[in-house]
Amino acid sequence: QKEVEQNSGPLSVPEGAIASLNCTYSDRGSQSFFWYRQYSGKSPELIMSIYSNGDKEDGRFTAQLNKASQYVSLLIRDSQPSDSATYLCAVNGNNRLAFGKGNQVVVIP
Amino acid sequence: AAGVIQSPRHLIKEKRETATLKCYPIPRHDTVYWYQQGPGQDPQFLISFYEKMQSDKGSIPDRFSAQQFSDYHSELNMSSLELGDSALYFCASNEGPRGNEQFFGPGTRLTVL
Repeated sequence: QKEVEQNSGPLSVPEGAIASLNCTYSDRGSQSFFWYRQYSGKSPELIMSIYSNGDKEDGRFTAQLNKASQYVSLLIRDSQPSDSATYLCAVNGNNRLAFGKGNQVVVIP
Repeated sequence: AAGVIQSPRHLIKEKRETATLKCYPIPRHDTVYWYQQGPGQDPQFLISFYEKMQSDKGSIPDRFSAQQFSDYHSELNMSSLELGDSALYFCASNEGPRGNEQFFGPGTRLTVL
C-alpha cells in the first residue's frame, strides 16, 4: 500500500465552482501535511501546509486535516482556469516527503 | 524572494555516461533534498543532507552519489546512466533538520539516449 493515496481521477470543474481534493495516509505518526500544485513539466509549488486537526484557510484555498481518520483535503474556491494543474498531497515522514500520485484538476471557462 | 537554483535545466546523455546535477538552496537554508520524478509519476525521495552530512537516504541507486558542500550547495552525481534514469530531478531546501516546508527548485530534465 502506498504511503499517501489520492484515488480520484481527473476532476473537471466549471470556472467559479469549488474543487475538492482528498488524500489519505498510512503512517499514523505523521505530523506535517502539504499540498503542492504542479503544472506540466514544472516543479511542485507549495500552496498549503497544515499541522493540526481542523481547517486552515489561505485565500481561495482551504486545507482540512483529520488525524484520527488519517485524512487530508484541499478545497479550491472560485476556481480559475489558472488553477488547472496537478495537485500533489505530501506527508512529511522522517523529514522526507512522501507524495500521492496527484489529482489533475481542469477548470472549464 | 530568492528561490532554489538548479543547473543545468536540461541535460542529454548517452547510456553509460555520467552526469552531475547541481543545486543551490535558498539563502540560509541548510538542508537539501533530492527527488526523482519519472513521466506520469509522483516525486520519489532520493537523498537529503543537513549541514553537509547525509541525513536520510531513499530509493537512490548505488550508481548515484551526492554531497553537500561548505556553501550548502549540493551535487548529485550519476554514473553508468541507463534509459530508465530519464526523469525530472528536483532539489528542495529548507532550514534546519526539521524544517518541514520544503521549497522546490525548477528541476533538471535528464534524457538518456
